[in-house]
Amino acid sequence: GENVEQHPSTLSVQEGDSAVIKCTYSDSASNYFPWYKQELGKRPQLIIDIRSNVGEKKDQRIAVTLNKTAKHFSLHITETQPEDSAVYFCAATVSGGYQKVTFGTGTKLQVIP
Amino acid sequence: NAGVTQTPKFQVLKTGQSMTLQCAQDMNHEYMSWYRQDPGMGLRLIHYSVGAGITDQGEVPNGYNVSRSTTEDFPLRLLSAAPSQTSVYFCASIDRQRIYGYTFGSGTRLTVV
Repeated sequence: GENVEQHPSTLSVQEGDSAVIKCTYSDSASNYFPWYKQELGKRPQLIIDIRSNVGEKKDQRIAVTLNKTAKHFSLHITETQPEDSAVYFCAATVSGGYQKVTFGTGTKLQVIP
Repeated sequence: NAGVTQTPKFQVLKTGQSMTLQCAQDMNHEYMSWYRQDPGMGLRLIHYSVGAGITDQGEVPNGYNVSRSTTEDFPLRLLSAAPSQTSVYFCASIDRQRIYGYTFGSGTRLTVV
């Protein structure tokens, strides 16, 4: 089955700096890659996603890049703010009768004011 | 439009007791899933359903049962609670076309003593 590795597990940055979280996946059939943000004690919420026919996608301070050949994708947060502090999960989805979604183990991002 | 509603939010069980975690969605999503979240292990799939009357096992199904009699409801049953089932449980649903990614419920924090 699919295996998703996520690094780093923890990340501390100064406010205003950039943060990068990287994920690798194993199944070349995966074609949809969402990223979720989970604040302490709350549910995961979708923040951005990318499909396999696209190499990069941006939404304000957040961007995601995908390298299908290398089977890795990354989340980039620029101009970080304290409210960006949370756990971030990547996921890889294999299309088919059911979208088997495999999550990474999460990255705890701390933005230091 | 309430999204995905989970009840209860908190529950303490004694070893050997049984209970049902409720999940309902009002978005007419065909696909629904149950995940458990443990520290350092991300989100692990317990059971999933691709439509009413159709369920299947995920990564960690032992000790849990599910049923899907309607599109809206997807309850998770703990047959005989064990301390190893202490976790946070999330129900999630997704539209067939994966347009918006998963929508998660608010979670149930379960403690088995």
